[in-house]
Amino acid sequence: DAKTTQPPSMDCAEGRAANLPCNHSTISGNEYVYWYRQIHSQGPQYIIHGLKNNETNEMASLIITEDRKSSTLILPHATLRDTAVYYCIVSGADNYGQNFVFGPGTRLSVLP
Amino acid sequence: KAGVTQTPRYLIKTRGQQVTLSCSPISGHRSVSWYQQTPGQGLQFLFEYFSETQRNKGNFPGRFSGRQFSNSRSEMNVSTLELGDSALYLCASSLGQTSPYEQYFGPGTRLTVT
Repeated sequence: DAKTTQPPSMDCAEGRAANLPCNHSTISGNEYVYWYRQIHSQGPQYIIHGLKNNETNEMASLIITEDRKSSTLILPHATLRDTAVYYCIVSGADNYGQNFVFGPGTRLSVLP
Repeated sequence: KAGVTQTPRYLIKTRGQQVTLSCSPISGHRSVSWYQQTPGQGLQFLFEYFSETQRNKGNFPGRFSGRQFSNSRSEMNVSTLELGDSALYLCASSLGQTSPYEQYFGPGTRLTVT
């Protein structure tokens, strides 16, 4: 079973920030939080990952709470092309074979 | 760098046949993982190979098998195809040596079993 809980769907207005939450209350100390997205029938696209600190790259920002039990992916200026299913995954170094367990994700709809 | 490539992109087979799918990882990546995606079950892990060795395996029957070559390219094989094997098969590559394991996915092979 997935170690994460995400809302099944969210809407966001084009040009506004999209904030996608993820709960991972059983995360252990060496587990990373990864975010991927999948646009219809394409392969999942890596977005960002983090361990403890907040992270930012050209696509998004990842905010991880101090207790690491939840995180938020932020798309600062959502566009129609950001409409996709977003997956939050927790996986760690002891998961030697790196088998990501995908939950159902959050279906983000960016509205014009 | 070129991304992960998968061949073929689309495939139609009949029940009872067997199929082989191919995955070429990003240059320098030594780990290849395979996933099956269906509308009912979502994305499910099949197996992962690192340096030609299967390092982890998901809960799939023995009809699903794979291998990895010395150049890190990987193949997966499904024997005695069933209708329920119709799915999008995805492979992902990563450096695979230490965490974090950023995986980069290919476009997938769409398999239809009739």
